Order: sequence, then C-alpha cells, then structure tokens
Amino acid sequence: AQKITQTQPGMFVQEKEAVTLDCTYDTSDQSYGLFWYKQPSSGEMIFLIYQGSYDEQNATEGRYSLNFQKARKSANLVISASQLGDSAMYFCAMRERGGGSNYKLTFGKGTLLTVNP
Amino acid sequence: DAGVIQSPRHEVTEMGQEVTLRCKPISGHDYLFWYRQTMMRGLELLIYFNNNVPIDDSGMPEDRFSAKMPNASFSTLKIQPSEPRDSAVYFCASTPGQAYTGELFFGEGSRLTVL
Repeated sequence: AQKITQTQPGMFVQEKEAVTLDCTYDTSDQSYGLFWYKQPSSGEMIFLIYQGSYDEQNATEGRYSLNFQKARKSANLVISASQLGDSAMYFCAMRERGGGSNYKLTFGKGTLLTVNP
Repeated sequence: DAGVIQSPRHEVTEMGQEVTLRCKPISGHDYLFWYRQTMMRGLELLIYFNNNVPIDDSGMPEDRFSAKMPNASFSTLKIQPSEPRDSAVYFCASTPGQAYTGELFFGEGSRLTVL
C-alpha cells in the first residue's frame, strides 16, 4: 500500500481564489510528521509547511495552511488567494519515527497546480 | 548560509559510462539523503547517511549504484555502468536531525541523461 496518496494529478484555480490539494497517508506510527513541498518548473524543491502528529492546531505559514484530520489520515494543503507564481507541482510527504530517530521522508506522486489569470 | 550544493547540474553520457554525482550538505547537518525523481516513479529515496555512515540503502536499485560519504561535507553517488533507464533528476538533501522537525533541505538536483 502507498504510504502517501495524492489523488489529484492536476488542479486548476483562478488567481486570487483558494485551492485545496488533497493528501492521505498510511502509517501505524503514533509519532509522525507531514510535510508539503513545492516544485516549480525550475525544478528545485521548496519546503512549505510542516504538521506534527501531536500538534493540536493546524499548521499555517502565510497563505499556506494544512488541514490536518488525524482520524481520517488526511493532511490537505490549502493555498489562499492563489497567485500566478503558485503554479507548480506540490508534493505531500511523511516522516515516520519508527520507534527511533528516522528522518527519511516518503513522498506522494504530486499534484500539478495551474493558476489561471 | 550556503544551501545544499550539487554538481554537475546536468550530465549527458552514453550507456556504459561511469557517472559520478556530487553533493555538499549544509554545514552542521548530520543527515544526508540521495533521492531520484522520474515521471514514472516520482521521488524515491535511494540511500541516506547519518554522521557519514550509511543507515538505509534499501532504495539503491542495484549493484551498479554506490554511494559514499567520506566526510561530513561531501558525498558521491556513482553509477557504473550507466543505462538509459537511469535517466532522472538526482537530488541530494540534508537535515540537522536531533530534535528538529525533519524538514529536508534540497539541492537543485543533477539532471542525468543516459543515451
């Protein structure tokens, strides 16, 4: 089974509107972390936001927020007030503690977001 | 502070040739990762090191791939002999470890094309 599932290969949004990118995860660990990265067409990987499994509040970073629903094992990324520069591939990733110090991330397949003017 | 530095940025080679990709992690980061990105398979972890010691190399595709980290500031990923199916973008990433959340800091990637 896939650890990280991103069901939307592509998404379109109008400039200035909000968009939600879906991510579900699969783990039996109690302690884990969830990450979102952005990859523009230039290719670099840009960290956006982090949510720990024990964090009670949803993480926010500027226009990015993470809608964390632990019981549903979902960690959706919400981008408010979309900008043309938000057009990129977005990856959800998970870090499982595995009972020790484990820092490797498992990535989903990504969602390609296109922001239309 | 300098980020993760990878070289070369682009490499075009012929099947059968040896390829060496290089990475300099962020100073002070204890963990170093090599990922491969392809359209078909997405981002796959190949291997990662902690304090220069390989911890998990289960993602290394086969014996043609090898990785080393001779010191805290340098790592190599070698493919010998290279094959067309090795064409991909290879990312190096590092993270401080310890009590840190675990965000990975990525280099800009090395795009490999094997003809």
